[in-house]
Amino acid sequence: DAGVIQSPRHEVTEMGQEVTLRCKPISGHNSLFWYRQTMMRGLELLIYFNNNVPIDDSGMPEDRFSAKMPNASFSTLKIQPSEPRDSAVYFCASGSGRPDTQYFGPGTRLTVL
Amino acid sequence: DAKTTQPPSMDCAEGRAANLPCNHSTISGNEYVYWYRQIHSQGPQYIIHGLKNNETNEMASLIITEDRKSSTLILPHATLRDTAVYYCIVGGGANNLFFGTGTRLTVIP
Repeated sequence: DAGVIQSPRHEVTEMGQEVTLRCKPISGHNSLFWYRQTMMRGLELLIYFNNNVPIDDSGMPEDRFSAKMPNASFSTLKIQPSEPRDSAVYFCASGSGRPDTQYFGPGTRLTVL
Repeated sequence: DAKTTQPPSMDCAEGRAANLPCNHSTISGNEYVYWYRQIHSQGPQYIIHGLKNNETNEMASLIITEDRKSSTLILPHATLRDTAVYYCIVGGGANNLFFGTGTRLTVIP
C-alpha cells in the first residue's frame, strides 16, 4: 500500500492567490482528516470526513478555507484568497474503524508570500 | 482541550529502553490512550493504543495503570531513528485526537 498521498509536497504562492491541496487516502479507509501544523499552534484538526461526508468543520479557520471529498479516493483543501498567516504544513490523514487510528501523509508545506 | 500531561523532553542512550510517561487523570471510561510520534519533517505516525490492558506490538509496549490515570510508552531498545516528538492522546472517537505538545525524545549515541 502506498499510504496516504498528498500533493503538492511544497507550494509557494503570493498573497491573494488560490491554493488547492490534494489528498488520496488509503484504499478502504472511510475517514479522512485535514490538519494544519505551525510552530506556534502545533497540530490542529481543520475538518474531518466520514464516508465522504463532512462531519466536523469547526476547526476550519474562516470562510477562506473549504474542503471537499467528491469520492472515497480523493479530497481537496482550498484556500481562497491565501494570506501569509496561512503558511504552515498541511497534513491529510485517513483511518477506519473504532477506535480510530489515523495514518498521515507526508504533508504539504505551504508558503504564502 | 489538553487531556494529557507529558514532559517536554527526554534523553535516552542508544540501545537502552526509553520510557515515556503520560498523565491523563481525567480520562473517561470509554476513552482510549493513543501514542503517535512525529519524526522531523514527516507526518505523525501511529504507534500503539490501548483501553485498559497493557499492549505490545512490533514498535513498542504500552503500560496503563489500573486506575487508567497514567500510562507509559516503552521503546525496548531505542535507536537513533527513534528520535522524535511523541504524543500521548486520549480520545474515543474520530474527531477526538488532540495532539498537544508531546515529549521530544532524543536518542544519544
